[in-house]
Amino acid sequence: DAKTTQPPSMDCAEGRAANLPCNHSTISGNEYVYWYRQIHSQGPQYIIHGLKNNETNEMASLIITEDRKSSTLILPHATLRDTAVYYCIVRGYSGGGADGLTFGKGTHLIIQP
Amino acid sequence: ETGVTQTPRHLVMGMTNKKSLKCEQHLGHNAMYWYKQSAKKPLELMFVYSLEERVENNSVPSRFSPECPNSSHLFLHLHTLQPEDSALYLCASSQGIAVSSYEQYFGPGTRLTVT
Repeated sequence: DAKTTQPPSMDCAEGRAANLPCNHSTISGNEYVYWYRQIHSQGPQYIIHGLKNNETNEMASLIITEDRKSSTLILPHATLRDTAVYYCIVRGYSGGGADGLTFGKGTHLIIQP
Repeated sequence: ETGVTQTPRHLVMGMTNKKSLKCEQHLGHNAMYWYKQSAKKPLELMFVYSLEERVENNSVPSRFSPECPNSSHLFLHLHTLQPEDSALYLCASSQGIAVSSYEQYFGPGTRLTVT
């Protein structure tokens, strides 16, 4: 799976949009971009994933650049409960092997009141 | 609530004890996973089961022994652990392993302390 690079931490004011960047310049054509988050000492929570097109669900939007080398997760109206570590993961089918997730260090997003 | 439950939520055990962690998923998924998260470290994949068959063992010591009796249940049997095995143990499930678009759903984890 391709490697990802994320800023270690970010702040965002409550009620504003939180934009979390991720670089994945070595991504290959069949690899998806996944976002998870982990609130302190809880299990990771799936947020959203995409391949080429931008995606939106009830939690967030995912914007993937045309060359697919980077993406941005957008939380449109951040609340204090969105304070968590956010992981950007690139994941592809390993062709016969298992397909666990490879977590990096993520971005610690702190929502300020 | 993700549809994946884990018991117990907290466990303290001595190095000579034998204990088991249990995971149950109510999502109708076919794949289940064990991850370990040590303090200040990223999550590490331990084991993957697909349709009750182990398909990956990520160089995990034999003192950790997984069991998957059916597609809804996953156990992690622990024996003669070391203090450095203290960590948050997370279970996850997904529809399958063969397609990279299958997202994983995690349980709340078991916080294990080895004394």
